[in-house]
Amino acid sequence: NAGVTQTPKFQVLKTGQSMTLQCAQDMNHEYMSWYRQDPGMGLRLIHYSVGAGITDQGEVPNGYNVSRSTTEDFPLRLLSAAPSQTSVYFCASRPGSSGYYEQYFGPGTRLTVT
Amino acid sequence: AQSVTQPDIHITVSEGASLELRCNYSYGATPYLFWYVQSPGQGLQLLLKYFSGDTLVQGIKGFEAEFKRSQSSFNLRKPSVHWSDAAEYFCAVRGPSNTGNQFYFGTGTSLTVIP
Repeated sequence: NAGVTQTPKFQVLKTGQSMTLQCAQDMNHEYMSWYRQDPGMGLRLIHYSVGAGITDQGEVPNGYNVSRSTTEDFPLRLLSAAPSQTSVYFCASRPGSSGYYEQYFGPGTRLTVT
Repeated sequence: AQSVTQPDIHITVSEGASLELRCNYSYGATPYLFWYVQSPGQGLQLLLKYFSGDTLVQGIKGFEAEFKRSQSSFNLRKPSVHWSDAAEYFCAVRGPSNTGNQFYFGTGTSLTVIP
């Protein structure tokens, strides 16, 4: 049971490039989400999904796109990278959307946009 | 609107000393509250959670937290800190159902432990 996995661990992009951050979980969790972590800001929700085919925006969705075609995978796409998107990105999952469940976090992807 | 405040950005304690990290929340209904720990370069790990019932909850690694509704607080405590407790600590509250029950995190408290 690998839990929540994220690839890559590190990435450097040039302004304007696009890329996809991968997230997968093997716990059959319905709910998955993407956060970004910036110094002094804590974790802020980008997008979330309550099940395959269902996604919604979080607090800071601009510049990011998501889809959820399977229960296991929840990729995050940067459409045209900007220096303001330099951050550490965390994917998380939990069994359902009920607040009774804790979230399980991946190890993170450190992204630098130059 | 729901939110979490962690007033202390950074705390330094000596090994063996007691620890208290503060967390204040804003939420209209009964809050579901969480404390997570993040070691350097790692993801977040759940320390403990509160949903209802006993206001003093026990977690992993010897941590505990007390829910005080009158003070809108959920402070994290440990009687004797170990060097391995040096990490960043995040408090979180679950949001309402119309937000998908998403979690709202505080800005974190960084803990340094002096040998």
